[in-house]
Amino acid sequence: GESVGLHLPTLSVQEGDNSIINCAYSNSASDYFIWYKQESGKGPQFIIDIRSNMDKRQGQRVTVLLNKTVKHLSLQIAATQPGDSAVYFCAENISGYSTLTFGKGTMLLVSP
Amino acid sequence: GAGVSQSPRYKVAKRGQDVALRCDPISGHVSLFWYQQALGQGPEFLTYFQNEAQLDKSGLPSDRFFAERPEGSVSTLKIQRTQQEDSAVYLCASSPWRELRTDTQYFGPGTRLTVL
Repeated sequence: GESVGLHLPTLSVQEGDNSIINCAYSNSASDYFIWYKQESGKGPQFIIDIRSNMDKRQGQRVTVLLNKTVKHLSLQIAATQPGDSAVYFCAENISGYSTLTFGKGTMLLVSP
Repeated sequence: GAGVSQSPRYKVAKRGQDVALRCDPISGHVSLFWYQQALGQGPEFLTYFQNEAQLDKSGLPSDRFFAERPEGSVSTLKIQRTQQEDSAVYLCASSPWRELRTDTQYFGPGTRLTVL
């Protein structure tokens, strides 16, 4: 399939390492944040979300951290696997608005 | 269970042609969204439907873009007189809830449009 990752920031890790992907969001009024994973030729796949009244949320092998003071979001992936290789996007939303605003994305490359 | 499907997966059009892109959302999903994704970029919002009503079309880049969802299920994005700058992946997403704030949007695979 076609690549969605040209000219994107890239994070290269070894299998089994922990990965941290960062995102700076733009709108201080945003109160809902989502991380999506996008593999080549596929649509974005929901990973985890967090509301602005939280600063941390954990899922299976993933953790999202939110720092509203500096408008920063991070996604931590534990024990990264080759199947985690993809482009990762953060997205923000303001309550009452339909629009999801996506960040530019980070390509994660996992070597076996 | 079937996810969001889109057709065609790939479309090549000559500049000036009209194209129609189809989205089949997850059955029963109330909300439907269209996004445009340029190569190497994140998706950008185009328009939003709640059932058959188009509630937000603020992201449509020009009046050559038109979307409809006449029966509140399948949606079509139409682009008239295509231009080279319309080349992108067009993504459709649907979500089940009425309350926008809590919606998780489920995406289809996209239609890759290339305008020559």
